[in-house]
Amino acid sequence: DGGITQSPKYLFRKEGQNVTLSCEQNLNHDAMYWYRQDPGQGLRLIYYSQIVNDFQKGDIAEGYSVSREKKESFPLTVTSAQKNPTAFYLCASSTGRTDTQYFGPGTRLTVL
Amino acid sequence: QKEVEQDPGPLSVPEGAIVSLNCTYSNSAFQYFMWYRQYSRKGPELLMYTYSSGNKEDGRFTAQVDKSSKYISLFIRDSQPSDSATYLCAMSENSSASKIIFGSGTRLSIRP
Repeated sequence: DGGITQSPKYLFRKEGQNVTLSCEQNLNHDAMYWYRQDPGQGLRLIYYSQIVNDFQKGDIAEGYSVSREKKESFPLTVTSAQKNPTAFYLCASSTGRTDTQYFGPGTRLTVL
Repeated sequence: QKEVEQDPGPLSVPEGAIVSLNCTYSNSAFQYFMWYRQYSRKGPELLMYTYSSGNKEDGRFTAQVDKSSKYISLFIRDSQPSDSATYLCAMSENSSASKIIFGSGTRLSIRP
């Protein structure tokens, strides 16, 4: 089955720790995205990548970092510099030629 | 003012009713319009995708775009309890999939 997987589903982090969220896709999509979803605020773009070894900041990139070493993978690191990291994180991918984005199941991060 | 405004609800209707979900936007350059459905604690899934003004029908769902009024709608006919979810509108200026602006979502509940 083709699709996007995110792991883990739930993640708990202590303040001051960095944590990495995994996103993998086997759809052969060129573009991948990371969003953050908070109650009542919809989806906000953190980072996106349209091609391997290249990525751009979204609207709320501060405190986050990404890498795109493989077409299938786009991990997101939430650093200790992110002041309010508790949220639902969604990864998405698209062919890059249309606006249709396909989402993974999400990772809920809680900072203790 | 947000680029995309969406009534957060919650909206509760009896089974079998016609549901109307709406979004307004301020950017006249938006040309591509989407509706996503998101079940609780899951990633959004694409429901409808339309380009420019007009209507598009898919089974019980109809998407309507009025660019002159900067207003889009999603109609659900013969609503079912399984339609209970949060519905997100989304839109973009071009087809390069670089930036989609999402509404904050409307929570819909269908009462059996």
